[in-house]
Amino acid sequence: EVQLVESGGGLVQPGGSLRLSCAASGFTFSSYEMNWVRQAPGKGLEWVSYISSSGSTIYYADSVKGRFTISRDNAKNSLYLQMNSLRAEDTAVYYCARDDGDRDAFDIWGQGTMVTVSS
Amino acid sequence: DIQMTQSPSSLSASVGDRVTITCRASQSISSYLNWYQQKPGKAPKLLIYAASSLQSGVPSRFSGSGSGTDFTLTISSLQPEDFATYYCQQSYSTPRTFGQGTRLEIK
Repeated sequence: EVQLVESGGGLVQPGGSLRLSCAASGFTFSSYEMNWVRQAPGKGLEWVSYISSSGSTIYYADSVKGRFTISRDNAKNSLYLQMNSLRAEDTAVYYCARDDGDRDAFDIWGQGTMVTVSS
Repeated sequence: DIQMTQSPSSLSASVGDRVTITCRASQSISSYLNWYQQKPGKAPKLLIYAASSLQSGVPSRFSGSGSGTDFTLTISSLQPEDFATYYCQQSYSTPRTFGQGTRLEIK
């Protein structure tokens, strides 16, 4: 079964750090581009970051640039999001999503992991 | 950045109704437009890609159309499981912006 499973969310104080992980299974992870998308409570979807299949190309939303770092380990079939200098407005459910290059769409999503930034 | 605007923001309809949701891009995005369905507490699910192509496993009552800046998602006959929030997303350029969502509620 094709699956993405996020982990690493939790409660963190403003200014703190957190590292999210996304474990992929059921497909050739190294062949796919990947993304992080977040959703603040009661709000819509916000794209956060993109990484190419090799990891050589990376993009960030302006709202997280300089604070978040996306990475991947193709040997471990895993995607990561290192989040530093966290702010209250980063509170959200974070989803990893597979990018189907043929369709230019996010065809597989994880279940999400909640990040709460609060003192 | 390309801005995506959906209308309406919310919609009440009955089972069996035909429903149309509109998405407008702030500039031409050709056919690089996707539609997702999200139910409460769940991850989004891809319904339509490239404006009008149905994702595998999605019922044929869902259809998409449009190109350039104006797009529509149509549900031909609403089923109980279709009550959810729908998002459009452009894949023409980074950032891959989403619309604000359309909440489809039971009348």
